[in-house]
Amino acid sequence: AQKVTQAQTEISVVEKEDVTLDCVYETRDTTYYLFWYKQPPSGELVFLIRRNSFDEQNEISGRYSWNFQKSTSSFNFTITASQVVDSAVYFCALSEAGGTSYGKLTFGQGTILTVHP
Amino acid sequence: EAQVTQNPRYLITVTGKKLTVTCSQNMNHEYMSWYRQDPGLGLRQIYYSMNVEVTDKGDVPEGYKVSRKEKRNFPLILESPSPNQTSLYFCASKATGTSGYNEQFFGPGTRLTVL
Repeated sequence: AQKVTQAQTEISVVEKEDVTLDCVYETRDTTYYLFWYKQPPSGELVFLIRRNSFDEQNEISGRYSWNFQKSTSSFNFTITASQVVDSAVYFCALSEAGGTSYGKLTFGQGTILTVHP
Repeated sequence: EAQVTQNPRYLITVTGKKLTVTCSQNMNHEYMSWYRQDPGLGLRQIYYSMNVEVTDKGDVPEGYKVSRKEKRNFPLILESPSPNQTSLYFCASKATGTSGYNEQFFGPGTRLTVL
């Protein structure tokens, strides 16, 4: 069965600090997809990134970067120079490619990030 | 605009009073699903549908029903709501295909309180 663990329940930082959100996953499939979503205080889910299991290249998008390491089953998310607007709940999620789990996103528990001015 | 809509957005009800949360998508997606979000548990899948008239249980289906009579609609039915169904509910849809994983689109969420 697939599982996603976000061990950090809450993180509090001061603006301009860098912060890394950890995500560890478990799956038996060789083909799978990893995601990060942001949930701002307004409540909607905002898609941030998708990675497939065959692409271990790290990705950078502005102040956001993602480190995917299959050897440690981790898909960590770093925000550089955090801003107050980054305050949100962040979810890591996993989807397997086929079988009865097709389409299902398995989410981690979420990490509440608070950025103080 | 491509979107998933849910109604109502907020609902307060009482134990045992049947309710339906509607979900509709305008992207002609085959796959639709419902999730509930609870503090400390993340989002968990309730039911999903691969296409019209094809539905199946997710991880937490107890107390819920769904139907998929039309491709665009996937209502969530609570026949006899209980307080433990107080939660934030999300509907999602995605296209199915053979060329990799297609993005899943989420609705804005429905906050349900059962007294």
